[in-house]
Amino acid sequence: ELKVEQNPLFLSMQEGKNYTIYCNYSTTSDRLYWYRQDPGKSLESLFVLLSNGAVKQEGRLMASLDTKARLSTLHITAAVHDLSATYFCAVDSPNFGNEKLTFGTGTRLTIIP
Amino acid sequence: EAQVTQNPRYLITVTGKKLTVTCSQNMNHEYMSWYRQDPGLGLRQIYYSMNVEVTDKGDVPEGYKVSRKEKRNFPLILESPSPNQTSLYFCASRKMGRYEQYFGPGTRLTVT
Repeated sequence: ELKVEQNPLFLSMQEGKNYTIYCNYSTTSDRLYWYRQDPGKSLESLFVLLSNGAVKQEGRLMASLDTKARLSTLHITAAVHDLSATYFCAVDSPNFGNEKLTFGTGTRLTIIP
Repeated sequence: EAQVTQNPRYLITVTGKKLTVTCSQNMNHEYMSWYRQDPGLGLRQIYYSMNVEVTDKGDVPEGYKVSRKEKRNFPLILESPSPNQTSLYFCASRKMGRYEQYFGPGTRLTVT
């Protein structure tokens, strides 16, 4: 059974600081997704990482994937308040491609002025 | 506007009373899926559909049914809801061959 773990689960950080959210998964998978969810809202796709070594950046967020280590990171640079949200990673099922996604439990990020 | 819509957005019901949550997308996507979100558990996949008349179970299908008679619609049916189905439900869709999923606004269901 594929398991996806994120840490930390909760993160409170000051504006202007850098931090990293980690996503570990238990079985081989070549694709990993990052989503953002604002309180009371739906999920918004941030990044799709399709292969080992993939790196994608959008503004202050950068995501990377190491399939050998079964690890993805979401790095936040010089955090600003509007990045406060819950961030989820998700992984394709190894036997079903991207028909079945397994999500992590999420990291609730709070940026303090 | 390209979107996934769900109805109702909020529903309070009683145990055993059949209900349907509708999901519709206007992007001509082949793939559609239902998830439930519970605190501390993230999102878990209930059912998915690769195209019309093609559906399959996700990780937590017990107590749910789906149908895909039209490409744009993918309703979630709870024949006999129970309190453990109280949750936030999301529908999502994507184009076959693409990876990005588009999520609906969510339906908050409470079963008493």
